[in-house]
Amino acid sequence: GQNIDQPTEMTATEGAIVQINCTYQTSGFNGLFWYQQHAGEAPTFLSYNVLDGLEEKGRFSSFLSRSKGYSYLLLKELQMKDSASYLCAVLDSNYQLIWGAGTKLIIKP
Amino acid sequence: DADVTQTPRNRITKTGKRIMLECSQTKGHDRMYWYRQDPGLGLRLIYYSFDVKDINKGEISDGYSVSRQAQAKFSLSLESAIPNQTALYFCATSDLRQGGDTGELFFGEGSRLTVL
Repeated sequence: GQNIDQPTEMTATEGAIVQINCTYQTSGFNGLFWYQQHAGEAPTFLSYNVLDGLEEKGRFSSFLSRSKGYSYLLLKELQMKDSASYLCAVLDSNYQLIWGAGTKLIIKP
Repeated sequence: DADVTQTPRNRITKTGKRIMLECSQTKGHDRMYWYRQDPGLGLRLIYYSFDVKDINKGEISDGYSVSRQAQAKFSLSLESAIPNQTALYFCATSDLRQGGDTGELFFGEGSRLTVL
């Protein structure tokens, strides 16, 4: 079966750095997405990785290792507005998105 | 105005009632999707459509039906609503055909449905 695993909840301090991990087992791989979702709102796109390595976009970076079936989202200089759920999703061989359950990130002052 | 619009945003209904959730988009995308989201679970695909004449079941299509009235409109129906269909429903669009496009999904604001 296809599976995406990510921690259910994480807590971090304002101004700090946090790393949210995602491991996957899917039928094929055509890319990995990270989305941010504030409570009661729609998910919004953060990043896309299809090749191994680190993609940096401002305070957010996303890393992919295809051989390990592993990705992480790194958030730097945390702000209170970063409190949200972070969703990992993999595009499988049929170009269908397989979603993780999401990681709820709580930022404390 | 939002690129992907869902109506209604909130709906409370009773068991056995027929409900329609509507989605319209101005992005010009061919691909449209309906997802449901439940606490503690990932987004689950109900139906998807790659163009007006193409409708496909997702992983949880039982109890739901869809209609793609036009490229810009994709409706989800619950013929006889039941309480375990209480969830947050999202419509989304994408266009893999765009040059360099990753297949990123663009979501509507969501429709919160409660079935009593």
